[in-house]
Amino acid sequence: GNSVTQMEGPVTLSEEAFLTINCTYTATGYPSLFWYVQYPGEGLQLLLKATKADDKGSNKGFEATYRKETTSFHLEKGSVQVSDSAVYFCALSSAAGNKLTFGGGTRVLVKP
Amino acid sequence: GAVVSQHPSRVICKSGTSVKIECRSLDFQATTMFWYRQFPKQSLMLMATSNEGSKATYEQGVEKDKFLINHASLTLSTLTVTSAHPEDSSFYICSARGGGRGETQYFGPGTRLLVL
Repeated sequence: GNSVTQMEGPVTLSEEAFLTINCTYTATGYPSLFWYVQYPGEGLQLLLKATKADDKGSNKGFEATYRKETTSFHLEKGSVQVSDSAVYFCALSSAAGNKLTFGGGTRVLVKP
Repeated sequence: GAVVSQHPSRVICKSGTSVKIECRSLDFQATTMFWYRQFPKQSLMLMATSNEGSKATYEQGVEKDKFLINHASLTLSTLTVTSAHPEDSSFYICSARGGGRGETQYFGPGTRLLVL
């Protein structure tokens, strides 16, 4: 079956530091890949997505590239802000039923 | 665009009572809605998938008689937790898909349920 593995947190950074959250997946076929962000006490917001190999999703300074050869979709941001403190979820959607499979989430804390 | 709302945002109820949570797509027609449950500091667990006008499809291990889902229109789905118990306390999140927006799911803000 499908699965998503992402690095465990918490990840603690200083403001303006570089952020990387690793995400790898196992899936049949050609899934779409997503990063969602969850701020404290809120639901999930779509951060970015990529639907085919070598696509790069980007939004709010975050980027992730769909790497089929390494089955990865690592999230990066060059200079984080305190407001980026949240839980980040990597997810995939397979063609069958379009259900989302989530990784365990990575909590990021950015200190001023 | 692609706004999904949930109501209520928080609810406290006594054990044995039933609680209804609404999920609405505000600016698009959601042909499919999903209900998730999230335990503290954990990931989301898909409970069920509902398509407008048809019965919901429940994930393995989810009791359909306990978690009643109704998707009567293209903009509204409801989750009713029947005879709630303290172990049902959780964060319930819905998502919606459709309206020409492809396969992307748009999530509601979640409903925190506390059963005393």
